[in-house]
Order: sequence, then structure tokens, then C-alpha cells
Amino acid sequence: DAGVIQSPRHEVTEMGQEVTLRCKPISGHNSLFWYRQTMMRGLELLIYFNNNVPIDDSGMPEDRFSAKMPNASFSTLKIQPSEPRDSAVYFCASSPGLAATSTDTQYFGPGTRLTVL
Amino acid sequence: AQKVTQAQTEISVVEKEDVTLDCVYETRDTTYYLFWYKQPPSGELVFLIRRNSFDEQNEISGRYSWNFQKSTSSFNFTITASQVVDSAVYFCALSEPNTNAGKSTFGDGTTLTVKP
Repeated sequence: DAGVIQSPRHEVTEMGQEVTLRCKPISGHNSLFWYRQTMMRGLELLIYFNNNVPIDDSGMPEDRFSAKMPNASFSTLKIQPSEPRDSAVYFCASSPGLAATSTDTQYFGPGTRLTVL
Repeated sequence: AQKVTQAQTEISVVEKEDVTLDCVYETRDTTYYLFWYKQPPSGELVFLIRRNSFDEQNEISGRYSWNFQKSTSSFNFTITASQVVDSAVYFCALSEPNTNAGKSTFGDGTTLTVKP
């Protein structure tokens, strides 16, 4: 069974450019999470979805960040315009249950290492 | 106030030593869940254990064991006879379904280095 798939694995871009990170959750999972990991701030939850619906985006840093989940098998995290301080590893995770009523284990993807020059 | 505290930023041991990673949490909920994750140098996050607040039995899985003590709000992780492959960053996390639905709060992590 394939785990959570993220693409690209590495992204290098210049300040001001649009960046789109992609995630395919484990089939059958109902919740999807986007995290950001930096040395300074550790692991932060940005947003999560239940059944493709965004539940809580309070962790999204600012309006430059947006996330969508058009269907159960795909989600994107977009940064526009990107800035050097957005450089981080972005993880996607999925979980079998609905995040609002369950605290099932989260299964993480390999992460996307983003570098904004 | 930080909800999950991993006071040990870095630990270094020699192979075959036992090592305990501390995790102290804070919550007002009676129902909550605790997790440990491992992040090896390759970067991925690997789930190790999930424990609910009503189950205080200690857990053992091979060389890994976990000591959950509600009286001290701690969920400590012990590796017995450590190996070089155990070198990683270990994260403790707390989930509170009633007051913080769906969110896991992570500690800052403990970097474990096991030297040969």
C-alpha cells in the first residue's frame, strides 16, 4: 500500500514566484493535514481537511498561503508570492478518521523541501 | 504555555546504552491522546506509538518502551540497548479531541545521537 505521496520532493525558486506543493493521501483516509517544519519554529500545523473540507486554517501564516482539496485523493498548498522566509520542509499527512472526532494516527509523507532564494 | 515539553534538546549515548527521552504535557481535558514520532536523518516522520488517556499501561515493543504516568503528566520513551540506527529526532505530540479537535501539538523534539 502506497503511503502519502508528496511532490515535488525538492523545490528551489526565486522570491516572488508562485509555488505549488502537491499531496496524495493514503486511499480511504478521511483527514489530511499540512505541516511546516523549520529549525526556528519546529513542526507547525498549517491547515487540515475533513472529507475534503477545510476545517481549521488558523495555522496558515498569511494570505500568501492557500490550500485546496478538490477531491479525496489530492490536495495542494500554494504560496504566492513566495518569500525567503517560506523556506522549510512542508509535510502532508493523512489519517483514517475524521479529525474533528478522532485522533487517529497521522501518516506522514516524505515532505517537500522548499528553498526560496 | 507550551503544551508539550521535551526538555532534552540533544542526547548523545554510546551504542548499547539505554536512553530515556522525556515528554511532559499539559492539558485540561480528561480525554486526550499522546504520540511519539521518529524523524531519522532522511527526514521522513515515522509514527511510533499512540496512547489514549485512559490507558496507563506501559507499552513495550522490542527495544522500545513507553512509560505513561498521568500523575506527573509524562509520557517518556526508553530505548534499550540503543543502536546507531536509532539516531534521529524524536517528537512527542498531544491531541485533545474535545478542545482542540483534530490538531496535534508537537514538542520541539529531542535529537538522539547513538555513537558506535
